[in-house]
Amino acid sequence: DAKTTQPPSMDCAEGRAANLPCNHSTISGNEYVYWYRQIHSQGPQYIIHGLKNNETNEMASLIITEDRKSSTLILPHATLRDTAVYYCIVRVWGAAGNKLTFGGGTRVLVKP
Amino acid sequence: KAGVTQTPRYLIKTRGQQVTLSCSPISGHRSVSWYQQTPGQGLQFLFEYFSETQRNKGNFPGRFSGRQFSNSRSEMNVSTLELGDSALYLCASSLKSPRTSGDTDTQYFGPGTRLTVL
Repeated sequence: DAKTTQPPSMDCAEGRAANLPCNHSTISGNEYVYWYRQIHSQGPQYIIHGLKNNETNEMASLIITEDRKSSTLILPHATLRDTAVYYCIVRVWGAAGNKLTFGGGTRVLVKP
Repeated sequence: KAGVTQTPRYLIKTRGQQVTLSCSPISGHRSVSWYQQTPGQGLQFLFEYFSETQRNKGNFPGRFSGRQFSNSRSEMNVSTLELGDSALYLCASSLKSPRTSGDTDTQYFGPGTRLTVL
C-alpha cells in the first residue's frame, strides 16, 4: 500500500471547519483513501473513504485531487469531541489481505 | 447492530506468563484483524483471519498467535510475555464479502484490550 504524509498536529476553532490534508503521491489506480480517527485510548473510528470522487457522509467530506496524489478531510463544524488523532490510509481494493498500514496521523486539537 | 467487542478490557500480567484476548466481530462479519498499538511503534498489524484461516501476518515473533472459530469470533494469544508487549491490542472486523466489484471492505475497530506486563 502507498505511504501517506500528514502534518503531525493542527489546531482548530470550535464551530469552524477543519481541513486535514494528506499526501499520497505514490497512490495506485486501485487504491482507496481511507480516514480513521482515534480518540484517546479508544479504538480507531472509521470516518470515510473514497477512490477518486469526492465523498460526503454525516461525519465528514473527503476531497480527492484529480491526480489523486493528495486529499483533504473536511470536518464541517468542528466540536470539542472531534479532538483526536486522524489517520489517512491508502489501501488496495480487493487485496487478498485486509491489512491497514497506519502512519503517525495528525493530532487535531479543537479549541473553544 | 452491536459493534466489535473485546474482552477483557484491561489485563495485568507478569513477565513469562501467557495471555489470551478475545474478539467478537460485528454480526455477519467474517474477517477479523488484530493490531498492536504502543507509544513507540504506533498501530501495527498483527494478523488477519477469514473463514478460520490466517490470511495475512505482520512482522511479529511467533509468540504472537491467533485463531478464528466457525462463528467468526477470534482469539489471540501471546506466550512468554515480555515488558515490551504492554500495549493496546485492537481487533477489527470487516464483511469480506465475495463481491467482485465496487467497494472495499471497511474495517471497524473494537475498543481494545489494554495489556500491562509487569
